[in-house]
Order: sequence, then structure tokens, then C-alpha cells
Amino acid sequence: DAGITQSPRHKVTETGTPVTLRCHQTENHRYMYWYRQDPGHGLRLIHYSYGVKDTDKGEVSDGYSVSRSKTEDFLLTLESATSSQTSVYFCAMRTETDTQYFGPGTRLTVL
Amino acid sequence: DQQVKQNSPSLSVQEGRISILNCDYTNSMFDYFLWYKKYPAEGPTFLISISSIKDKNEDGRFTVFLNKSAKHLSLHIVPSQPGDSAVYFCAGTLGGGSEKLVFGKGTKLTVNP
Repeated sequence: DAGITQSPRHKVTETGTPVTLRCHQTENHRYMYWYRQDPGHGLRLIHYSYGVKDTDKGEVSDGYSVSRSKTEDFLLTLESATSSQTSVYFCAMRTETDTQYFGPGTRLTVL
Repeated sequence: DQQVKQNSPSLSVQEGRISILNCDYTNSMFDYFLWYKKYPAEGPTFLISISSIKDKNEDGRFTVFLNKSAKHLSLHIVPSQPGDSAVYFCAGTLGGGSEKLVFGKGTKLTVNP
């Protein structure tokens, strides 16, 4: 019954390479979010989207870009991955009750 | 500057007893709070929420209390079960139409059999 999925679930890449993570929802919600989770930091917002082609920055947006060409898909791109971007990435969708529901996460390792 | 604080990184409780997880916030403009539970290798799962116009919300074994004057909320789990062992995140939404959640750093709850 997963209304929100992420791919890939795991990725290992090298410093300097581009990486794109995908978030897909089947619920037709307007708002979608990308977070990263690191030990000692909780969940920190990277970027979010409030509609197709409408995006805005979060608190840790440097080094990341996003795109939303369809309601159901929200892509997060690391243009040139660095070791500091090794993290677990979660996407979320927000319902009309202002509750965010999260995907299962992508574990990214940058060597 | 942390706007949502969970000052206890961990909590250990015996099965059947009450678990109380605490959260403080600094900005009185927060108007909606949520608790999430997270198991290892999974995404956070929504647990319960409360609007700032209420001081209590209950859902089964889970109750959230909000004390606006103290800028404090707590999550009570009664009775605690081993399956409740997880990291719990408190989050808040600032009023004025903000679309963003501000998260605390989480509290790891361990319920011992």
C-alpha cells in the first residue's frame, strides 16, 4: 500500500560523479520534500516542491538540485557528489491534513 | 539554532510501563506538531499529531500533550511494548501557511521485555 516510493534504495558512487535519486508518489499530492538524515542531526530539509516546476530551497540545499516535471515524480540531483553527501535520503509527500508521509529512504555512499 | 529540541537522545523503559518522550520548541508561531516513529532502514512513520488549539490528542496507546505556555509537548505510550523500540522524532509546522516541518534530533526508545 506504499503511496510513495524511492529509487534506488542503495547507491555507492565516487566523488565527483552526478547522482539522481527518484521519488514517486501515487497520491497526486501537491507538496513533496527531500530530506537527509545524519547522526546527531535528525531530518534536515534539502528542497521541496509545491507543484509541477515549482520548487524551493530548504536548510541544506547547497550541492543539490531538484526537478518536478510531473506531479508524481520529484527528483533530487547531486551534480558532483562529495563525501559529505554520504547520508540517508528520504522523500515525503504532504497530504491535505498537513501531515507528511515518508518514503523508505535511499542510502547513498560517496567514496 | 534549534527550534525544536529533543533533549534526551535515549530512553529505556520496561515493557508494560509508561514511556514519556519530551520535546521543546522555541518559537511560539508553531501551530501544528507531529510525532514520527522510525525503525532502522525504514522511513519515518507518522504516529500522532496535535494542533496548537488543543492540549491533548489521544490515539490508542499514544497520547500527545501540548503545553503552549511552556512551549513543551510530550508523547506518552501506555503500555509500552518491545515493538515500540524505535527512534521518535518530534516535528512542528510554523504558522502563517508554512509548508515546512522542523524536526527535532530524535529520541531512541528502548522497551525492555
